[in-house]
Amino acid sequence: AQSVSQHNHHVILSEAASLELGCNYSYGGTVNLFWYVQYPGQHLQLLLKYFSGDPLVKGIKGFEAEFIKSKFSFNLRKPSVQWSDTAEYFCAVMRYNNNDMRFGAGTRLTVKP
Amino acid sequence: DVKVTQSSRYLVKRTGEKVFLECVQDMDHENMFWYRQDPGLGLRLIYFSYDVKMKEKGDIPEGYSVSREKKERFSLILESASTNQTSMYLCASSRDRVTQGTQYFGPGTRLLVL
Repeated sequence: AQSVSQHNHHVILSEAASLELGCNYSYGGTVNLFWYVQYPGQHLQLLLKYFSGDPLVKGIKGFEAEFIKSKFSFNLRKPSVQWSDTAEYFCAVMRYNNNDMRFGAGTRLTVKP
Repeated sequence: DVKVTQSSRYLVKRTGEKVFLECVQDMDHENMFWYRQDPGLGLRLIYFSYDVKMKEKGDIPEGYSVSREKKERFSLILESASTNQTSMYLCASSRDRVTQGTQYFGPGTRLLVL
C-alpha cells in the first residue's frame, strides 16, 4: 500500500521566514500529487497540485512545490511566510488513473507575528 | 464553485447508537469519499464510491458502512457507535476517474461518542 510521510509535525516560524515542508511517498508508479491546507475552523482546500509537466508547481498565496521523482518527494515551499499562513498542511498522493487519495499525517504551521 | 455540505457540524451520540452522517455535493461529481481526521494521523480513507450504488473499502472500513442511492448523496453509517469512533469526519467529492479531479471537501462533522 502506498504511504505518505510528512517529516514535521509542528513547525514554528517568525513572519518573513522561509518555509519548506517535506513530503515523501512510497508508491513507485505514476502519481498525482497534492498539497491541501486547512486554516483554523475552515474546510480543507487545495493549495496546489502536480499531474504532469513542469515539476515545479505554483499554487495560491505564493506557495510552490517541487516534484523530484528520483526522491519520491513533493516538498512545499514559500519564500516568506505571513501570520495568515498559520494552518495545517497536508500532502496527498493519488495513483494515476485512480481516484482514492492517501494523505500524510499533516504539518501544523504556526507563524509568529 | 463546488459545494459539499454535511448534515451536522457537531454530533454527540451514546455508545451503541446507530449514527448517520450525510453528505451532499451539488456539482454532479462521480466520486465521493468519507475520511476521518485525527490529530497526528491525518486523513484516513474509510469508504469511497465511484458511482451510484457502488462502494469501495478504504483503509479503515471496520465499524462503518456507506450508502449511495443518489449521485449527489453519500451517507456514512456507524452501525453501533463506539468511543474510538470519536473523530472529525470529512466528506469529499471529485469529478471522475478520467480527469483525476481534485477532491473538494465539506466542512466536517465532529462526532463525540460517549
